[in-house]
Amino acid sequence: DSGVTQTPKHLITATGQRVTLRCSPRSGDLSVYWYQQSLDQGLQFLIQYYNGEERAKGNILERFSAQQFPDLHSELNLSSLELGDSALYFCASSERGLQETQYFGPGTRLLVL
Amino acid sequence: AQKVTQAQTEISVVEKEDVTLDCVYETRDTTYYLFWYKQPPSGELVFLIRRNSFDEQNEISGRYSWNFQKSTSSFNFTITASQVVDSAVYFCALSGGTSYDKVIFGPGTSLSVIP
Repeated sequence: DSGVTQTPKHLITATGQRVTLRCSPRSGDLSVYWYQQSLDQGLQFLIQYYNGEERAKGNILERFSAQQFPDLHSELNLSSLELGDSALYFCASSERGLQETQYFGPGTRLLVL
Repeated sequence: AQKVTQAQTEISVVEKEDVTLDCVYETRDTTYYLFWYKQPPSGELVFLIRRNSFDEQNEISGRYSWNFQKSTSSFNFTITASQVVDSAVYFCALSGGTSYDKVIFGPGTSLSVIP
């Protein structure tokens, strides 16, 4: 058990809908990362938050947004969903940045029908 | 632009054989990090190692070893005496430049260890 929790584990929704994925980092970790893994795009970094502030941005679509709350949990919001958004979404945490070990959550599998 | 290439899509070895997973990267940055991650069939991602571009020392951790060669832009991963539990997809990754937290992943190498 990495100590990083993600909910829900599975999500099935329809095109055009909006969903929210939740991540709780390990106790004491200030950085949260979001990644997307799909058959088409492989593993991609989406965004990183550090202590509530956005720190790094990757290939995150404008339809997607994220935030980190004062209790350090993070949410990834996906809107106007398309079939191609079907993927496994991972959250990871580390104490500060990638200079420390990252711990990954089990992922949320999103299926858009 | 940064890029990570893992030319081996799939590898199969018999248990107890040694296996090397290749990783070649491209970057114009002088300072960068290289990583390896493991994704077993259960699906979770596991961080294995991080290497700073200034540290070219090879690293060994149990049956795992990593060979970083700046001259060839390679960061290869060797598993000695492979075991069935090593069966997984292995990703090599790179970060650097203006944001050390923005990671670029390779396509992954699927390793099957046959008993």
